[in-house]
Amino acid sequence: DTGVSQDPRHKITKRGQNVTFRCDPISEHNRLYWYRQTLGQGPEFLTYFQNEAQLEKSRLLSDRFSAERPKGSFSTLEIQRTEQGDSAMYLCASSLDGVDYTFGSGTRLTVV
Amino acid sequence: DQQVKQNSPSLSVQEGRISILNCDYTNSMFDYFLWYKKYPAEGPTFLISISSIKDKNEDGRFTVFLNKSAKHLSLHIVPSQPGDSAVYFCAATGLDTDKLIFGTGTRLQVFP
Repeated sequence: DTGVSQDPRHKITKRGQNVTFRCDPISEHNRLYWYRQTLGQGPEFLTYFQNEAQLEKSRLLSDRFSAERPKGSFSTLEIQRTEQGDSAMYLCASSLDGVDYTFGSGTRLTVV
Repeated sequence: DQQVKQNSPSLSVQEGRISILNCDYTNSMFDYFLWYKKYPAEGPTFLISISSIKDKNEDGRFTVFLNKSAKHLSLHIVPSQPGDSAVYFCAATGLDTDKLIFGTGTRLQVFP
């Protein structure tokens, strides 16, 4: 197992377009998290899953954002009608019952 | 509101000396604290953690101290090495949540 994998590493999109990111967690980890990091800030929590159930969502997650983890393995994060303010690093992490919290390398989104 | 604060955005230390990074928190429900190290274009990497039942945890060159009454923790790196140059984030979590709340980070530069 090579850790938490995120795809793509970089995404440049035009304002108004939809984008989707993928995260593959460590295989035995049952919990998966999405965070967003902007310049000069620490990572901010967006949402998390335990297996396929989405258990918590941040107020940061507007209705343009949706996350899924359909089979309790990989997860996708979709942003619809992107805005320039969505430009950030999107980080995925996974853990086994809250232990060994491991982050991926992130997807850097630039909205132009 | 910023529940986890790192008031020093940057720190510069000579190789071989001690680096001390500080973190303050406001939420008394936090019971587990972590330090992460982050290089540019990579996700945060776990460094060391401490439970609220302890006041010190040590791992090699890294020691974390927790002062619950002051709601303050610090990370000591000794001796500091040039490879330690990175951004360090303090994070906290509590019994009632699985999400991590991060500080804004401190950029450490270790010079020869």
